[in-house]
Amino acid sequence: EVQLLESGGGLVQPGGSLRLSCAASGFIFSSYAMSWVRQAPGKGLEWVSAISGSAASAYYADSVKGRFTVSRDNSKNTLYLQMSSLRAEDTAVYYCAKGRGETSGCSNYWGQGTLVTVSS
Amino acid sequence: DIQMTQSPSSLSASVGDRVTITCRASQGISNYLAWYQQKPGKVPKLLIYAASTLQSGVPSRFSGSGSGTDFTLTISSLQPEDVATYYCQKYNSDLFTFGPGTKVDIK
Repeated sequence: EVQLLESGGGLVQPGGSLRLSCAASGFIFSSYAMSWVRQAPGKGLEWVSAISGSAASAYYADSVKGRFTVSRDNSKNTLYLQMSSLRAEDTAVYYCAKGRGETSGCSNYWGQGTLVTVSS
Repeated sequence: DIQMTQSPSSLSASVGDRVTITCRASQGISNYLAWYQQKPGKVPKLLIYAASTLQSGVPSRFSGSGSGTDFTLTISSLQPEDVATYYCQKYNSDLFTFGPGTKVDIK
């Protein structure tokens, strides 16, 4: 059974940093792309970032480019999102999601999400 | 960047009605289009990928069509459990943008 468990969310001040983690199990982690998708309170889904299974390629939405860094440790079956220079508009539930293939941005499994609140 | 739009933004229909949601890409994306369902308070769920392929376990009343820039999600007979917001997502190239969503409820 595929399981994705996010952690690392919380309250952070504007301009601060936070690192999210997503522990994966139930599939061959290194064979699949992984994505981060966020959802601000009462709003729609916003794709944030994705990384290929081998970590050779990483992609970012324009809204986070230069501030967020996606990475993965295939030996630990864990996905990360390092977030810096955080803004109020980054407040959202952050989901990690498993791609359908090594480079696919289409996600067939999702975690339960972790809430990030950016506020002073 | 390719923009994704959806119409309508919301709709209300009766149980048993045929419901159609449209998604449009500002440039051609071949068939790299997925549809997700998000019920209130729940995690998004993949319904359809490659524009028309039903994800395993999804009821057959859901179907998708289209290619290039224009896509549709159809619910052939709306059920109470289909109350949700539906999102399209493009996944070609390197930006995997979602549409703004279509909220579906029961009349």
